[in-house]
Amino acid sequence: SQTIHQWPATLVQPVGSPLSLECTVEGTSNPNLYWYRQAAGRGLQLLFYSVGIGQISSEVPQNLSASRPQDRQFILSSKKLLLSDSGFYLCAWSVDGRYDYGYTFGSGTRLTVV
Amino acid sequence: AQKITQTQPGMFVQEKEAVTLDCTYDTSDPSYGLFWYKQPSSGEMIFLIYQGSYDQQNATEGRYSLNFQKARKSANLVISASQLGDSAMYFCAMSNGGSQGNLIFGKGTKLSVKP
Repeated sequence: SQTIHQWPATLVQPVGSPLSLECTVEGTSNPNLYWYRQAAGRGLQLLFYSVGIGQISSEVPQNLSASRPQDRQFILSSKKLLLSDSGFYLCAWSVDGRYDYGYTFGSGTRLTVV
Repeated sequence: AQKITQTQPGMFVQEKEAVTLDCTYDTSDPSYGLFWYKQPSSGEMIFLIYQGSYDQQNATEGRYSLNFQKARKSANLVISASQLGDSAMYFCAMSNGGSQGNLIFGKGTKLSVKP
């Protein structure tokens, strides 16, 4: 069966520090991968998606970046965090070419920038 | 541009009663999918139900059903026989029909089930 792992679960980082959040998927190949951010009490905002290794599409201009070094690994990074980067970050995967399958989400990372 | 609207920030329902959560959408794409997700306080997003734009029948999954009215562009979620564990945020979402399957989400409705 397919599983998705996301870590860490919580993170408190000072302003200006770097960020690296990791997401891995097991039990499937060539998944579409996504990073979403959810501000407190709000809906989900798509940040990045990837349809293959090294292929990253950005939906929102920001100081975050994403990389996909392996088929089932998706990394969200920042060189210098801002206070506005605080939020709940969710990784998700979907079957390539099958939008009707929806997404399977990871358990999320709650990031607080102080 | 695609848009999902959930007009109910919060809803209350008595345990064992049914409740309807509203969702309207806007798209010019003839092929799309509509989803409902549940987000409990733990934060995980749990898939509940899916409706395709070409599906003739309303989708059902256990106590969840989706009231799909294509002409009105609405996709309301109906939860029957509410349980205390149904208390959570509920998000309506739409896929754009492309191969990427990108989902856009509404702002959510917080459902509270009273004993």
